[in-house]
Amino acid sequence: EIVLTQSPATLSLSPGERATLSCRASQSVSSFLAWYQQKPGQAPRLLIHDATDRATGIPARFSGSGSGTDFTLTISSLEPEDFAVYFCQLRDNWRGTFGQGTRVQIK
Amino acid sequence: ELQLVESGGGLVEPGRSLRLSCAASGFRFDDYAMHWVRQAPGKGLEWVSGLTSNSDNIGYVDSVKGRFTISRDNAKNSLYLEMNSLRDDDTALYYCAKGRHAISVFLDLWGRGTLVTVSS
Repeated sequence: EIVLTQSPATLSLSPGERATLSCRASQSVSSFLAWYQQKPGQAPRLLIHDATDRATGIPARFSGSGSGTDFTLTISSLEPEDFAVYFCQLRDNWRGTFGQGTRVQIK
Repeated sequence: ELQLVESGGGLVEPGRSLRLSCAASGFRFDDYAMHWVRQAPGKGLEWVSGLTSNSDNIGYVDSVKGRFTISRDNAKNSLYLEMNSLRDDDTALYYCAKGRHAISVFLDLWGRGTLVTVSS
């Protein structure tokens, strides 16, 4: 079973700053990785799929990079609505394991 | 409007069973993989189970194998999760979610969830 580890657990930043979130897989997952945003009381929202492809309607300030075992979600300039929890997810055979999440909070 | 609506959650005693349903609308249901994801109170997301558009491929997280069964009825645009031998640690909000395509585990449409509480 492939395990995803997200870091840091919490990121404290100010609006306008750049956010860099990491997701590391215990084995290579090629480019089969996605990123989601979840706000309190809401269902998650798909941001990035296949490591680098923005989902429909996602602003250009969100970008994904990486392949193999190391992946990054970058938010180029934080907007007030971007403060939330972010999860990565891999595809492993026919399983869709999630990481434990990174909380991006206002500093 | 694209929509997923879950139902069937509730309070159930340990060892009992529950069947969740998910009604889909606004898209061609039989073109897409479908999944269940759960979130325990205050915790992260856990992928529970999923199946491809034609049910050829089905998967489960290890903790529910042998206890939960996922199925779909493409004629009724519906997804189901039969949950047996429920345990305290199955307590969670259960989301129904749509895959990006017929064999995808990446989820681009989510319901609001149905709460399952397992307690005596």
